[in-house]
Amino acid sequence: EIIVTQSPATLSVSPGQRATLSCRASQSVNSNLAWYQQKPGQAPRLLIYGASTRATGIPARFSGSGSGTEFTLTISSLQSEDVAVYYCQQYNNWPPLTFGGGSKVEIK
Amino acid sequence: QVQLVQSGSEVKKPGSSVKVSCQASGGTFSNYAITWVRQAPGQGLEWVGGIIPLFNSVTYAQKFQGRVTISADESTSTAYMDLSSLTSEDTAVYFCARVTSGSYYFNYWGQGTLVTVSS
Repeated sequence: EIIVTQSPATLSVSPGQRATLSCRASQSVNSNLAWYQQKPGQAPRLLIYGASTRATGIPARFSGSGSGTEFTLTISSLQSEDVAVYYCQQYNNWPPLTFGGGSKVEIK
Repeated sequence: QVQLVQSGSEVKKPGSSVKVSCQASGGTFSNYAITWVRQAPGQGLEWVGGIIPLFNSVTYAQKFQGRVTISADESTSTAYMDLSSLTSEDTAVYFCARVTSGSYYFNYWGQGTLVTVSS
């Protein structure tokens, strides 16, 4: 089973500043990694797939990078509506599909 | 536009079973995998298993093997997840989600179904 680890657990960022979230896989997942945003009481929302491709309708301030075992989600200019928990998910080697534990983004 | 609509909240006794449904509209139901993901209160996302309706091909997370059955009814575009031998640790929101392509990331999600296991 591929273990996916996210850091930090919580990130506090001032409005307009950059937020950088990390995701590490226990073995290579190539570029088969997705990022999701989840707000309280809502289902997850796909942000990024293929490590760096934005899903339909996702603002350009969200970007993904990385391959192999190290990945990054960057929010270039944090908006209040970006407060959420962010999850990464690998789909290279399964079953099982595995998610990271999540990173919570707060406004400072 | 694909929409996934799940059945309502459930309260179950320990040792019993629950069956959650997920009805799809828009798009072609049979060709795309539907998966089930759960989220315990205040916790992260956990994959339960999934199905490709066209092939009736089912895959389960090992943790749930023997306790979960995922099925699909193509005539009603509905997927089901049946979880048995419930314990308090199964208390969670259960989401269904559908792939967009042949890769297993999920662009479409149901609204979630809260299953509470309590005596």
